Amino acid sequence: AAGVIQSPRHLIKEKRETATLKCYPIPRHDTVYWYQQGPGQDPQFLISFYEKMQSDKGSIPDRFSAQQFSDYHSELNMSSLELGDSALYFCASSLVTGARAYEQYFGPGTRLTVT
Amino acid sequence: AQTVTQSQPEMSVQEAETVTLSCTYDTSESDYYLFWYKQPPSRQMILVIRQEAYKQQNATENRFSVNFQKAAKSFSLKISDSQLGDAAMYFCAYSNAGGTSYGKLTFGQGTILTVHP
Repeated sequence: AAGVIQSPRHLIKEKRETATLKCYPIPRHDTVYWYQQGPGQDPQFLISFYEKMQSDKGSIPDRFSAQQFSDYHSELNMSSLELGDSALYFCASSLVTGARAYEQYFGPGTRLTVT
Repeated sequence: AQTVTQSQPEMSVQEAETVTLSCTYDTSESDYYLFWYKQPPSRQMILVIRQEAYKQQNATENRFSVNFQKAAKSFSLKISDSQLGDAAMYFCAYSNAGGTSYGKLTFGQGTILTVHP
């Protein structure tokens, strides 16, 4: 079965640079979520989209923005990168209806290192 | 806001034995979902099991089962016949079903499970 695809898998950036993370959800899933997991921490919710519209926002810095496109892929844009942004960034997708409603399936993550 | 608490930072079990991981949560919502996710050293987040709050019957998935106590806001995971491949970090997670902030997962701090051969 198709899974969530994230690219790139690893990314190294310098402080103050910009990074763009991409996510391709499971086909026909209507909701996409982004999470940030720091070292030794649990994942923290950043933002979500339902049918290409932003549906919820967590503790996402103003330097970060995200969108979902007409083909349902999503991008997380991160500007003015700081050392503290180094983390594993997950994308997940789900349906909000049906027998598997709210089951989120995660991509492999993008490991961002800011130097 | 909802909170999820896992009070066992680490647990260990002998291969083929049974282990139970604990989780408590706090919410004022009546309609929600609870999950257990497994994160092996690869850091991939793998869905283990889901429980719907309005269902009294405890969910089971092969060797994995839950004990859902809604009144006590407790949601434990039992792993039977433990295997070496079960070694991982296990996260308990909560999401609202509908209303505001539906779907987003709130995670506990995680429990590291070690399986001894």
